[in-house]
Amino acid sequence: GQQLNQSPQSMFIQEGEDVSMNCTSSSIFNTWLWYKQDPGEGPVLLIALYKAGELTSNGRLTAQFGITRKDSFLNISASIPSDVGIYFCAGQVIYNQGGKLIFGQGTELSVKP
Amino acid sequence: EAQVTQNPRYLITVTGKKLTVTCSQNMNHEYMSWYRQDPGLGLRQIYYSMNVEVTDKGDVPEGYKVSRKEKRNFPLILESPSPNQTSLYFCASSPKTGQLYEQYFGPGTRLTVT
Repeated sequence: GQQLNQSPQSMFIQEGEDVSMNCTSSSIFNTWLWYKQDPGEGPVLLIALYKAGELTSNGRLTAQFGITRKDSFLNISASIPSDVGIYFCAGQVIYNQGGKLIFGQGTELSVKP
Repeated sequence: EAQVTQNPRYLITVTGKKLTVTCSQNMNHEYMSWYRQDPGLGLRQIYYSMNVEVTDKGDVPEGYKVSRKEKRNFPLILESPSPNQTSLYFCASSPKTGQLYEQYFGPGTRLTVT
């Protein structure tokens, strides 16, 4: 089936540093999504990307939908302690009888004050 | 407040003892889904439902059952739990199948099967 490869699996950074993570796939997606999961909670949508090449920002977060529609990256600038959590990419697949999200394995971010 | 609720939040059970995890949403969403989250594997879809009485298998349906008798509720049933079903489970809902980017997740249910 379709899979997303997300990297890195984990990151340990100092407060104030920039962070970059990405997702790649062998399949094309028509929508890319980035979620954040705080400890003990469900994922929350950060950014949604709808068109190839699209670059979208949400505060200190910037994400891009790759031109080939097979990849996406998320950047976090000037990290702060509350950025700690697990970040997931997801691709949306829609077909005749339904649809679903395919999730990456997650990137666990730790920020040292 | 718009939300997805799950119960219980934590459950420890023994192999073979049937259990049900409830999920309810108050947003009148058509699409609901169950995922399991395991370290290094991300979230994998177990079952989904596009509307009342319409359910279908996701990527890892073995050992699970679901039902959708009402729009707001989508319970997950484990008829005979086994240790490999120890995991963190999330219920989610979206307005429609074509709007999965508006997916709201519940707080999660941590299940341990001994």
